[in-house]
Order: sequence, then structure tokens, then C-alpha cells
Amino acid sequence: EAGVVQSPRYKIIEKKQPVAFWCNPISGHNTLYWYLQNLGQGPELLIRYENEEAVDDSQLPKDRFSAERLKGVDSTLKIQPAELGDSAVYLCASSPDGWRQFFGPGTRLTVL
Amino acid sequence: DAKTTQPNSMESNEEEPVHLPCNHSTISGTDYIHWYRQLPSQGPEYVIHGLTSNVNNRMASLAIAEDRKSSTLILHRATLRDAAVYYCILSFSGGGADGLTFGKGTHLIIQP
Repeated sequence: EAGVVQSPRYKIIEKKQPVAFWCNPISGHNTLYWYLQNLGQGPELLIRYENEEAVDDSQLPKDRFSAERLKGVDSTLKIQPAELGDSAVYLCASSPDGWRQFFGPGTRLTVL
Repeated sequence: DAKTTQPNSMESNEEEPVHLPCNHSTISGTDYIHWYRQLPSQGPEYVIHGLTSNVNNRMASLAIAEDRKSSTLILHRATLRDAAVYYCILSFSGGGADGLTFGKGTHLIIQP
């Protein structure tokens, strides 16, 4: 079974530039999550989707962050414009049953 | 929100059992206990979860105290590949469908 796929794995941008991360969950997993992980900390939830509906986006900084999951399968997380403090690892996870979450390898973002 | 407390780090020897403690004195009756681990440069990985009874799977065992105020993740025979950060997490609803709230976890070091 293929795991959660994320791209790119690494991204370096200048501050104020836009950036986008892509996630393809495990086939058949209706629930998709985006997390942010700062160095030395545990992941923090940004948004949760059930199929194409964002059911929890309370932690998503909506002034600069946006996400979509148009067909209820893959998803894109965007930051515009990026700030220095956005440097982190962005993790995507999916779940088949609401009990176990399967995480991708993450995208490491560096904002200069 | 119920919180968990874990030691910052633990050391163990290869091929010996490892007992990772977690305190959650304010756990509510419907909170499930989840354990995830994160190997270096990877996304978190589901290990095990439970409510009241002890649980076993191919990766580990979860021992839950009778009053549910603490739990222990047991790795029966540690290998070098078990070196990771282990997170003990409570889910606020009946299942894990909600986003998980990770703490800092326990950094497990395995000595050869």
C-alpha cells in the first residue's frame, strides 16, 4: 500500500513570496489533515478535511494561509505571502477510520 | 483540555524492554489514549491506542492504569530502529478523527 505522498520535500523561498505544498493521501482515506511542525516541537493541526469539506480550520491563519481539497482526494496548502516565522515542516496525514493517522514525510520550508 | 506529561528523554539498551510512561491526571471518561512515534526526518507513525483495557499489537503494548490517570507504552525488545520521539496524546472526542494535539514527547535513545 502506497503511503501519503507530499511534494516538494524541501523548499527555500524569499520572504513575501508565495509557496504551495501538495499532498496525495492514501487511497480510500476520506479524512485529510495538514499539520505544522516547528523544530523541537510536536506537530500542530492546521486544518482537517472530511472528503472535500474543511470541518476544522480554526487553527489555520487565514490571513495568509489557504487550503483546498477540491475532489476530496489530493490537497494543496498555500502560504501567501510567506514570512520568516513560517519556516517549519508541513506534514500531511490521512485516516481511514478516525482512529489511526498516517503521515507523509513532510515538506521542509525555509523562508529567507 | 486534558494534558499529558512525559519525560523529556529516556535511555535503554538494545534487546531490552522499554517502558515509556505518560501521566494524564485530568483525563475525562471519553478520552482515548494514543501513542505515536516520530523517527528522525520522518512524519509521525501510529503505534497504538486504547480506552480502558490494556492493548497489544505487533509494535507494542499499552498498559493503562485502573484509574486511567497514567499509561505506559511497552516496547518488548528494543532495537536501534526504535530510537525516536514518542508522543502520548489524548483525543477529546470518542475517537481520533479530530486533529491530534501533540506535546513534546519523550526522546528515546537506544544504546547498542
